[in-house]
Amino acid sequence: QVQLVESGGGLVKPGTSLRLSCAASGFTFSDYYMTWVRQAPGKGLEWVSYISSVDGTTAYADSVKGRFTISRDDVNNSLYLQMNDLRAEDTAVYYCARDDSRAVAAYDFWGQGILVTVSS
Amino acid sequence: IQVTQSPSSLSASVGDRIIISCRASQRISTYLNWYQQKSGRAPKLLIYAASTLKGGVPLRFSASGSGTDFTLTINSLQPEDFATYYCQQSYSQPYTFGQGTKLEIK
Repeated sequence: QVQLVESGGGLVKPGTSLRLSCAASGFTFSDYYMTWVRQAPGKGLEWVSYISSVDGTTAYADSVKGRFTISRDDVNNSLYLQMNDLRAEDTAVYYCARDDSRAVAAYDFWGQGILVTVSS
Repeated sequence: IQVTQSPSSLSASVGDRIIISCRASQRISTYLNWYQQKSGRAPKLLIYAASTLKGGVPLRFSASGSGTDFTLTINSLQPEDFATYYCQQSYSQPYTFGQGTKLEIK
């Protein structure tokens, strides 16, 4: 069965960096676009970034552009989010999600989420 | 593209029929998805492309719309349906979500 498991979260200070990982299993990872979505405590969902399975094309929300980098390793079935210059407003649960191949940017499987807390 | 849901919260009883609306700030054809999120859990995709039910989702869920106005309907509410619902436009990046509609038991 499809599984997505995030790791790498934690408590960090403003201005520092963190790298999230998402281990995928149960499907052919290299065939799917992948996405990061985040949710600040008590708030709604915010789309963060995606990466193509075809040519590695990426896109970012304006709120993270220039600070976050999404990448993937199709050999090891893993998705990453390198987060630099972290700010308090980046505090959130971060989810990796698989793009449903039948529809644009519809996320049919999600990880359990990983909490990132940015605080001094 | 801004996506606005209404209402923000809704109280209903088991067996009721409810409708949640989602409005996009510009025309998005049928590039609209709906998700359900229960407290402390990851969201679940219910409907994609405005009206296509994801496999395994109960038939009491339905959705419609195109352009700027969309609706999610849940017929005969069940106890497990009480959750927060989000719409999301997938027409152009960033793929914005609505602010959510919290469905509570009356």
